[in-house]
Amino acid sequence: QQQVKQSPQSLIVQKGGISIINCAYENTAFDYFPWYQQFPGKGPALLIAIRPDVSEKKEGRFTISFNKSAKQFSLHIMDSQPGDSATYFCAASPTGSGTYKYIFGTGTRLKVLA
Amino acid sequence: DTAVSQTPKYLVTQMGNDKSIKCEQNLGHDTMYWYKQDSKKFLKIMFSYNNKELIINETVPNRFSPKSPDKAHLNLHINSLELGDSAVYFCASSRTSGARLRNEQFFGPGTRLTVL
Repeated sequence: QQQVKQSPQSLIVQKGGISIINCAYENTAFDYFPWYQQFPGKGPALLIAIRPDVSEKKEGRFTISFNKSAKQFSLHIMDSQPGDSATYFCAASPTGSGTYKYIFGTGTRLKVLA
Repeated sequence: DTAVSQTPKYLVTQMGNDKSIKCEQNLGHDTMYWYKQDSKKFLKIMFSYNNKELIINETVPNRFSPKSPDKAHLNLHINSLELGDSAVYFCASSRTSGARLRNEQFFGPGTRLTVL
């Protein structure tokens, strides 16, 4: 079964620190890797996404690092702020599926202390 | 303007009842989805419709029946509700044409279903 493993399950970071969330996928070819941010009581919203033909993508304080050979990708949040406190989901879209199917990781609950 | 809207936001019902959740998107997207998020926040796709045609049905019990009257709407009807159906259900939509990196899935605010 296609899986995306995400860690850690929860993360506490001081304001100004770096938050790092890791994801790994198994065996299946995925070709699109988005990260979603979800605040309590809200739906997930796209934060940043990457394709496997690049090793890194940066948007503001958010960076995705991608290691194709290791089948791993991670989200780095620089200068973490209390407003970043949310649940973060990595996801992967299998090759050929268009955007019909996302397989989500299990989520990471991030809390940034003021 | 709300991009993806769902009604109702909360739904509390007894076991065995039948209920529906409605979803509408005003983004002009051609693909819509239903996801289930359980109490541990795990998010799993249930169905996907492209231009009103069922594309994905992820081994969901046939008590769940999606209906897409047009590209802007995807409703979810659930028969004979069970305790295990309690979850937050999210509708989402995307545009599947064009460059893939623009085809993000936009999620609605969710419907919290509680089965007693």
